[in-house]
Amino acid sequence: NAGVTQTPKFRILKIGQSMTLQCAQDMNHNYMYWYRQDPGMGLKLIYYSVGAGITDKGEVPNGYNVSRSTTEDFPLRLELAAPSQTSVYFCASRRTGIVYGYTFGSGTRLTVV
Amino acid sequence: AQKVTQAQTEISVVEKEDVTLDCVYETRDTTYYLFWYKQPPSGELVFLIRRNSFDEQNEISGRYSWNFQKSTSSFNFTITASQVVDSAVYFCALSPDQTGANNLFFGTGTRLTVIP
Repeated sequence: NAGVTQTPKFRILKIGQSMTLQCAQDMNHNYMYWYRQDPGMGLKLIYYSVGAGITDKGEVPNGYNVSRSTTEDFPLRLELAAPSQTSVYFCASRRTGIVYGYTFGSGTRLTVV
Repeated sequence: AQKVTQAQTEISVVEKEDVTLDCVYETRDTTYYLFWYKQPPSGELVFLIRRNSFDEQNEISGRYSWNFQKSTSSFNFTITASQVVDSAVYFCALSPDQTGANNLFFGTGTRLTVIP
């Protein structure tokens, strides 16, 4: 049982480049989330999904896109990377019902130069 | 609107001292969950506790204890006899139990340094 797997763990991008952060969970969780953590700050929600084919914006969605074609995968796409997107990105998932709690991936540290 | 405030940005204690991390939250929901997570220097998020809004019983787990008081909208975390391995950033978080995202709203974290 791998839980939530994020790849890559580290990445350096040049301004204007694009990339996809991968997130996969093997727990059959309906809910999946992408958060970003800026230095010295808490996590902020970028996008979330309540099931395959359903996504919605969170607090800080600008500059990102997501898709949810399967229950397992929830990739985050960065188009035209900017220095302001330098951050640590966390993917999380949970079953329906908050009482079951959230499972977090180990994070992706992204630097845009 | 949901908001979590952790007023203590950084705390330093000497090993074996007790330390309390404060968390104050704001929500209009009657049903919600409160969480504490630990983020060690390695960067991952480690789940510590989950408490629902209907359960105000304090909880103790080893050297850790939590004091939930709805009257003051606080969910404070105490580490007894701190150890160097407790050095980390600690986040308090809130999740409303409603339709929609039900995502976690995080405080800005408290960095705890335990000095040997």
